[in-house]
Amino acid sequence: EIVLTQSPGTLSLSPGERATLSCRASQSVNSNYLGWYQQKPGQAPRLLIYGASSRATGIPDRFSGSVSGTDFTLTISRLEPEDFALYYCQQYGSSPTFGQGTRLEIK
Amino acid sequence: QVQLVQSGAEVKKPGSSVKVSCKASGGTFSNYPINWVRQAPGQGLEWMGRIIPILGILNYAQNFQGRVTITADKSTNTVYMELSSLRSEDTAVYYCARGGTLGFDSWGQGTLVTVSS
Repeated sequence: EIVLTQSPGTLSLSPGERATLSCRASQSVNSNYLGWYQQKPGQAPRLLIYGASSRATGIPDRFSGSVSGTDFTLTISRLEPEDFALYYCQQYGSSPTFGQGTRLEIK
Repeated sequence: QVQLVQSGAEVKKPGSSVKVSCKASGGTFSNYPINWVRQAPGQGLEWMGRIIPILGILNYAQNFQGRVTITADKSTNTVYMELSSLRSEDTAVYYCARGGTLGFDSWGQGTLVTVSS
């Protein structure tokens, strides 16, 4: 099983700042089948990024994803008030797994 | 775009089973896998298994092997997830999600299953 470790657990920032969320995989992720999801209270997760760096339909371009080996990064260039939420990374290969999540909170 | 509509909340006794449905509204599942993911209160996301309805191909997470059964009714565009031998730790919101090579791009609204004596 591929274990995904997200850091930090909580990130406190202000609107307009840049957010950098990390996700490290315990082994290589097949074909970069790595996604990022945003979840708000009482809602289902929403896909932001797939294939490590491709934005899903309708996702603003302030969200971007990158990869270096087994290290994946979600960057939000300028935080909007609606971006404060929980974020999960996921590898969706043969046996999908999720990271434990990063909470992005208003400072 | 296809929307996934799940069945309503359930309250079950320990040791019993629950069956949750996920219906494609406005289209079909086509050849996409349909996954089941659960989230216990205040906890993260846990993948349970998936089915490719058009092919009947199944994969289950090791943690749920022997306790979960996923089936599909192609005639009604509905996928079912049945979890047996319920215990209090199975109290969670259960989601279905369409997932392929482009990630889990469409999710149901979630079904709360409460296990309590």
